[in-house]
Amino acid sequence: AAGVIQSPRHLIKEKRETATLKCYPIPRHDTVYWYQQGPGQDPQFLISFYEKMQSDKGSIPDRFSAQQFSDYHSELNMSSLELGDSALYFCASSLEGVNTEAFFGQGTRLTVV
Amino acid sequence: AQTVTQSQPEMSVQEAETVTLSCTYDTSENNYYLFWYKQPPSRQMILVIRQEAYKQQNATENRFSVNFQKAAKSFSLKISDSQLGDTAMYFCAFMKIMYSGGGADGLTFGKGTHLIIQP
Repeated sequence: AAGVIQSPRHLIKEKRETATLKCYPIPRHDTVYWYQQGPGQDPQFLISFYEKMQSDKGSIPDRFSAQQFSDYHSELNMSSLELGDSALYFCASSLEGVNTEAFFGQGTRLTVV
Repeated sequence: AQTVTQSQPEMSVQEAETVTLSCTYDTSENNYYLFWYKQPPSRQMILVIRQEAYKQQNATENRFSVNFQKAAKSFSLKISDSQLGDTAMYFCAFMKIMYSGGGADGLTFGKGTHLIIQP
């Protein structure tokens, strides 16, 4: 069965650079979530989208923005990167109203140097 | 806002033993979901079990079961006949139910319990 696809799997950026992470949800899933997991930390909810509209917002910095496109894939844009942004970024998808189980992608490991 | 507390940072048991991981939460919501996620060294987040707050019956999934005490806001995970492959971080998570116009609330995770199964 198809899973949530995240790209790239690994990314190295320098401070003050910009990064874009992509997420392709499971086919027919209409909801996408983004989480940030720092080293040794629990995942922190950043933002979610339902039917291409922002649904809920967590602890997402103002330097970050995200959107969901017409094909339901989502992108997380991160600007003015800081060392503290180094983390594992998870995307998850679900089919709202039918199944609340969120399926996670394998994550993008971002390292800011 | 809701909080999720896992008071056991690390636990270690022998293979084939039964182990219980504790989780408590605080919320003013009446309708919500609770989850246990497993994160092995690969860092993949894997759903172990889910409980709807409106259901009194405790969820079970093969060797995994929960003890859900809504009044006490407690949601523990029991793993029976533990196996070496159960070694992982286990996160308890909360999600409130959104009713108006669809939409999705994010998960609130606890700090996790590192479970080690010894051979």
